Amino acid sequence: EAGVVQSPRYKIIEKKQPVAFWCNPISGHNTLYWYLQNLGQGPELLIRYENEEAVDDSQLPKDRFSAERLKGVDSTLKIQPAELGDSAVYLCASSLVAGELFFGPGTRLTVL
Amino acid sequence: QQPVQSPQAVILREGEDAVINCSSSKALYSVHWYRQKHGEAPVFLMILLKGGEQKGHDKISASFNEKKQQSSLYLTASQLSYSGTYFCGTEIIGRGSTLGRLYFGRGTQLTVWP
Repeated sequence: EAGVVQSPRYKIIEKKQPVAFWCNPISGHNTLYWYLQNLGQGPELLIRYENEEAVDDSQLPKDRFSAERLKGVDSTLKIQPAELGDSAVYLCASSLVAGELFFGPGTRLTVL
Repeated sequence: QQPVQSPQAVILREGEDAVINCSSSKALYSVHWYRQKHGEAPVFLMILLKGGEQKGHDKISASFNEKKQQSSLYLTASQLSYSGTYFCGTEIIGRGSTLGRLYFGRGTQLTVWP
């Protein structure tokens, strides 16, 4: 069974540029998460989807971040414009029901 | 909301035991444990639900004391492959959109030497 797929794996951009990350969860997993992980820290939830619905997005900085999960399968997280402090690893995870999270390899974003 | 993990780092020789602790100031529904190796994604180890149960597989086990809102991860006879950063994730008893949300600790870095 394929795991959670994320792309790109690495992204380097200049500040004020837009950037987008893509995630394809494990087939059949209804719940999809986007986490942010800073160096030396644990993952922090940005947004959680149940199928197409964003059920927990209170920690998503909506002035510059947006996300969508069309058709309840894959998802895109966008930052526009990016700031220096956005440099981090962006992890996507999925789960069948509340419980074990399966994480993707992450996208390492560097904002110059 | 973020749980506190201790110690921050542990260095062991192969075959030695270690305990990693996780505590929360909030009433917990569940505690999750994950291991992350450098440059890789976190990998699930186990979930403990409130009820004070203890779980384990192979030589890694965990306990959950719901009265104290604490969980401990026990690594017995550590192997080189146990090296990595261990995170606990806590699910707080709550309402609305925070139901099911995991708050991760800052992690405990475990290094096992031969």
